[in-house]
Amino acid sequence: NAGVTQTPKFQVLKTGQSMTLQCAQDMNHEYMSWYRQDPGMGLRLIHYSVGAGITDQGEVPNGYNVSRSTTEDFPLRLLSAAPSQTSVYFCASRKSRVAKNIQYFGAGTRLSVL
Amino acid sequence: QQPVQSPQAVILREGEDAVINCSSSKALYSVHWYRQKHGEAPVFLMILLKGGEQKGHEKISASFNEKKQQSSLYLTASQLSYSGTYFCGTEINNAGNMLTFGGGTRLMVKP
Repeated sequence: NAGVTQTPKFQVLKTGQSMTLQCAQDMNHEYMSWYRQDPGMGLRLIHYSVGAGITDQGEVPNGYNVSRSTTEDFPLRLLSAAPSQTSVYFCASRKSRVAKNIQYFGAGTRLSVL
Repeated sequence: QQPVQSPQAVILREGEDAVINCSSSKALYSVHWYRQKHGEAPVFLMILLKGGEQKGHEKISASFNEKKQQSSLYLTASQLSYSGTYFCGTEINNAGNMLTFGGGTRLMVKP
């Protein structure tokens, strides 16, 4: 059971480039989300999904797109990378809308935009 | 709105105790505590639900005071392995939104 898998682990981009961060979970979780974590700061929610075909914006959605075509996958797209998007990105999943359910995190993707 | 954690950082000697607080301006339905080691993903510690439950995990326990909209994490007889950054994640209802996290508390345990 792999849990939440993120790829790549590290990425360097030039300003203006686009890329997709991949996230997959094998726990049949309904809820998936993307957070970003900047140095010395907490986790801020970018986008989330409550099921295949359903996505919504979090606290800091600008500059990012998501889609959820399957239960397992939730990719995050950077449309035109900016230095302000240098951060560590975590994907998370959770079984359903029950408060006692645990939210699991992937290992993270460290992104640098030059 | 993000919960507020205090203190922002704490340094302990092995065997000492610490308390980390998590406060919200909104009524909370649940509080989730995580620990993150440097360069790693946050790891789940425990969940506290509306109702004032207190949970325990080895020598780490937590309380949830829904009237004060506050949760506290208690680390007793700290070990070197407790070092890391502790985050609280909160929900204001049972609608199933993803968690909103505080800014974190950096804990360093020294020999």
